[in-house]
Amino acid sequence: GAVVSQHPSRVICKSGTSVKIECRSLDFQATTMFWYRQFPKQSLMLMATSNEGSKATYEQGVEKDKFLINHASLTLSTLTVTSAHPEDSSFYICSANPLGSTKTEAFFGQGTRLTVV
Amino acid sequence: SQQGEEDPQALSIQEGENATMNCSYKTSINNLQWYRQNSGRGLVHLILIRSNEREKHSGRLRVTLDTSKKSSSLLITASRAADTASYFCATDAYGSARQLTFGSGTQLTVLP
Repeated sequence: GAVVSQHPSRVICKSGTSVKIECRSLDFQATTMFWYRQFPKQSLMLMATSNEGSKATYEQGVEKDKFLINHASLTLSTLTVTSAHPEDSSFYICSANPLGSTKTEAFFGQGTRLTVV
Repeated sequence: SQQGEEDPQALSIQEGENATMNCSYKTSINNLQWYRQNSGRGLVHLILIRSNEREKHSGRLRVTLDTSKKSSSLLITASRAADTASYFCATDAYGSARQLTFGSGTQLTVLP
């Protein structure tokens, strides 16, 4: 159980276009999901906390108008990279914890490799 | 923001040997977890140790925690080629709503 599915796994887009990444909890509900960004051979940097039914909480330095987050249901959060530029190329990963669970172990999606050309 | 450092940054060993990775963190924690990441993939949870625990075992994994030194170690015994991956420690603080802060990671290569 506790499977998180992230889609797409890879995407290539042209500079100036927008890309939407979906994060779904397949067998549990989550009021909170987390979005991370990872550069090659580096660690995960938290971008924002996605809250179901309310606004996302962004980490310092992350542009909320650039990285739009929508948590429309208890099983789906989306991250939209707007007006993408080559410097936005990165690996984006989401995670979630089952609603009602007291455990802090996070369940991660398989990640999305974004390449902006 | 990144919590701390892991060392070594990269570790290469032969199959059957033990691998030890260390993690240091900066602030008080509630729990410390270790995750594994295969190249280009998501993270998989390995083991969690609470701030009031000093050592924990799970299969071939042994984790220690020294809160006075703000450090943890992950030992993988009898390593296998399939253990090749990046390993990250992650901490969460009291009242942090399960928000994790990750260490810099160790790239482990196990040679067959």
